[in-house]
Amino acid sequence: DAGVIQSPRHEVTEMGQEVTLRCKPISGHNSLFWYRQTMMRGLELLIYFNNNVPIDDSGMPEDRFSAKMPNASFSTLKIQPSEPRDSAVYFCASSLGQGGTEAFFGQGTRLTVV
Amino acid sequence: AQSVAQPEDQVNVAEGNPLTVKCTYSVSGNPYLFWYVQYPNRGLQFLLKYITGDNLVKGSYGFEAEFNKSQTSFHLKKPSALVSDSALYFCAVREATGGYNKLIFGAGTRLAVHP
Repeated sequence: DAGVIQSPRHEVTEMGQEVTLRCKPISGHNSLFWYRQTMMRGLELLIYFNNNVPIDDSGMPEDRFSAKMPNASFSTLKIQPSEPRDSAVYFCASSLGQGGTEAFFGQGTRLTVV
Repeated sequence: AQSVAQPEDQVNVAEGNPLTVKCTYSVSGNPYLFWYVQYPNRGLQFLLKYITGDNLVKGSYGFEAEFNKSQTSFHLKKPSALVSDSALYFCAVREATGGYNKLIFGAGTRLAVHP
């Protein structure tokens, strides 16, 4: 398996623009997580899905952030409009179920908003 | 609410010496505990986990961790450090109750192994 695939790897955009990050989880995994990593705040859980249904989005910072999972093999995280403080590395991870199963991470998308 | 604390921002170790990276956790019930490693410009890689049973768990690359319920700790250890072990290490916890629970990470500890 190719693992969790994220695109793009790097994104540079201007403040106010819409940004869409994409994630393809490992085939067969039914839980998907979006995390954001910054030097100041570390690794923050933004939202997670189980069987394509959002379970907890309490970590989504503002209404400018939205996430969807239209099917088991694809998820998006959208920021609209983007702001410089959104600059971070965004990780997608997937796991088979919950509980004691480990999550597998993608390579991340490094977002820079100028 | 569940939480994870990694009290050391950085740990410095000489190559060949044993290493310990500390982690304490807080959950309402029983925990599932995980350790991950992150190399520069890479995603997090799973190292090992504790679910139940033996308190000493062994994982990838010679790492092990000991679950201590009374101290609510899950410290990562390795008997002999390598320079290539230098990376950012994260401890994570998920509450072991029914339903869907968050996987929460600590702030991370940077391990520097010196030749």
